[in-house]
Amino acid sequence: KAGVTQTPRYLIKTRGQQVTLSCSPISGHRSVSWYQQTPGQGLQFLFEYFSETQRNKGNFPGRFSGRQFSNSRSEMNVSTLELGDSALYLCASSSRLPGSTEAFFGQGTRLTVV
Amino acid sequence: AQTVTQSQPEMSVQEAETVTLSCTYDTSENNYYLFWYKQPPSRQMILVIRQEAYKQQNATENRFSVNFQKAAKSFSLKISDSQLGDTAMYFCAFMNPMEYGNKLVFGAGTILRVKS
Repeated sequence: KAGVTQTPRYLIKTRGQQVTLSCSPISGHRSVSWYQQTPGQGLQFLFEYFSETQRNKGNFPGRFSGRQFSNSRSEMNVSTLELGDSALYLCASSSRLPGSTEAFFGQGTRLTVV
Repeated sequence: AQTVTQSQPEMSVQEAETVTLSCTYDTSENNYYLFWYKQPPSRQMILVIRQEAYKQQNATENRFSVNFQKAAKSFSLKISDSQLGDTAMYFCAFMNPMEYGNKLVFGAGTILRVKS
């Protein structure tokens, strides 16, 4: 069974640009969550999508958005990039079946904003 | 709001010895889940162990076990017979699926170094 796949693995962007990150969950998983990891703020929840609907949202500005497709793949978009958006972005997939709480993480996308 | 606190930024242990990582959390909920995740230098987050709050019995997974004290809101991880491959950042995390779906609230992490 393939794991969670995030693309690209590394990305360098310029301030003011926008970026789109992709996450393909484990086959059969319908929940995808996104996290931002930085040395200063640690791991912070961005949002969760389930069956193409955003179910939860963290405390991030509107420049951060996402969506989920009918095949459960998810994309995350950051517009008007700022230096502080440099981070490791992690995606996690879950089945969300009753009693199933394990989140499986991808290897992340390392975004550097210059 | 739920918060998770890991008060040990770094720890080290000799190979084959036992080490305990601390975690406390704050919540007003009664039903929730607690996790320990491991993040090695590869950055891949790996689930180490899970505890359901409604279960009094402490979870164990091979060399890894937890001491779950619900009243004290404490959730420590014990690693026995430490191995070099255990060197990683360890995160304690909280989840309340009924209220917040699959949202994980993480602590700041503890860097564990296993020395030979």
